Amino acid sequence: GAGVSQSPSNKVTEKGKDVELRCDPISGHTALYWYRQSLGQGLEFLIYFQGNSAPDKSGLPSDRFSAERTGGSVSTLTIQRTQQEDSAVYLCASSWDRPKIAYEQYFGPGTRLTVT
Amino acid sequence: AQRVTQPEKLLSVFKGAPVELKCNYSYSGSPELFWYVQYSRQRLQLLLRHISRESIKGFTADLNKGETSFHLKKPFAQEEDSAMYYCALQGAQKLVFGQGTRLTINP
Repeated sequence: GAGVSQSPSNKVTEKGKDVELRCDPISGHTALYWYRQSLGQGLEFLIYFQGNSAPDKSGLPSDRFSAERTGGSVSTLTIQRTQQEDSAVYLCASSWDRPKIAYEQYFGPGTRLTVT
Repeated sequence: AQRVTQPEKLLSVFKGAPVELKCNYSYSGSPELFWYVQYSRQRLQLLLRHISRESIKGFTADLNKGETSFHLKKPFAQEEDSAMYYCALQGAQKLVFGQGTRLTINP
């Protein structure tokens, strides 16, 4: 079946502009995660969705970052007033979700964001 | 606090030699630990998890709670093992990743 998809695959934007990154999880996966992969920083957790709610948004680096999920499916990560330090690969992952069970997370191909 | 440490950013070994990628963790509860791998131009994918205690592509990893380690090992490296490897700890719902180790297998 189809895996996690993300769009766009690449995004170049000017400093100060807003961007929206989209994630389509695997059908039926109730948990959705956003991570950021930067050179020298490894993989950084941003936010976790359980259905449409976000019980853990502790990783969002500033109030310029926000995310939403609708219909328990598609999620959008929005970065307002982009800065050069926002340049990174943004990864989305999805999984099944039950209490106290750690399911495998399936990752999308990522969106490479470059802020000029 | 949850933390995963991979002390080696780069590791280079010859084909046929043993490989060990180090991972240490800090977590107050009972950890769920994973190794994820990213091959060139492919997406990040699960390699193995401690709870299943299985060998995948010849790799094994043993959870050592006394040393808080979850090192990844393979007795004989192959060229196709060249990739970026991430150790990860699942606490609550999120995965906390180490910084990753880029493994290069030389012919």
